[in-house]
Amino acid sequence: EAGVAQSPRYKIIEKRQSVAFWCNPISGHATLYWYQQILGQGPKLLIQFQNNGVVDDSQLPKDRFSAERLKGVDSTLKIQPAKLEDSAVYLCASSVQGGYGYTFGSGTRLTVV
Amino acid sequence: AQSVTQLGSHVSVSEGALVLLRCNYSSSVPPYLFWYVQYPNQGLQLLLKYTSAATLVKGINGFEAEFKKSETSFHLTKPSAHMSDAAEYFCAVNTGTASKLTFGTGTRLQVTL
Repeated sequence: EAGVAQSPRYKIIEKRQSVAFWCNPISGHATLYWYQQILGQGPKLLIQFQNNGVVDDSQLPKDRFSAERLKGVDSTLKIQPAKLEDSAVYLCASSVQGGYGYTFGSGTRLTVV
Repeated sequence: AQSVTQLGSHVSVSEGALVLLRCNYSSSVPPYLFWYVQYPNQGLQLLLKYTSAATLVKGINGFEAEFKKSETSFHLTKPSAHMSDAAEYFCAVNTGTASKLTFGTGTRLQVTL
């Protein structure tokens, strides 16, 4: 079974620029998550989708971050404008409906300079 | 609310020695508990999970963990460390299927000759 695909793997941008990350979950996985992992910390949930609806976005900084999941499959996470503190690894994960635990992608490492 | 605490941000063991990584949890409802491993520049890989069946859970790569409700603990062990075990380990908790995972801050395991 193919894993969770993410792109790009690395991105360097200047502060105040915009950036977008893409995630393709495992086929058939209804639930998709975006996590932010700052260096030296555990991952923190930004947003959770069930099919194409948002379940939890309480930790998403909505003034600069946005996310969508078109047709309940692929998802895009956008940051506009980026700040220095947004430097982190952005992990996408998916799970089957009713499943325990997730499958994570390899992540996108964002550096804001 | 749910949380996990990982005691020790860095643990160093000799090759062939016992590995013990500590995790304590807090949850207002029966928890589901997970251990993930992260190798450099990679995503998170599930090692094992506790989902209210057997309290002693065996995972991949020779790791196991025991759920102890009285101690609110879910420590990860491996009888004999191998150089390839050097990585970052994260304990995580959630409270149901397809619900958000809350991660600890991680423990970096170093294995020396």
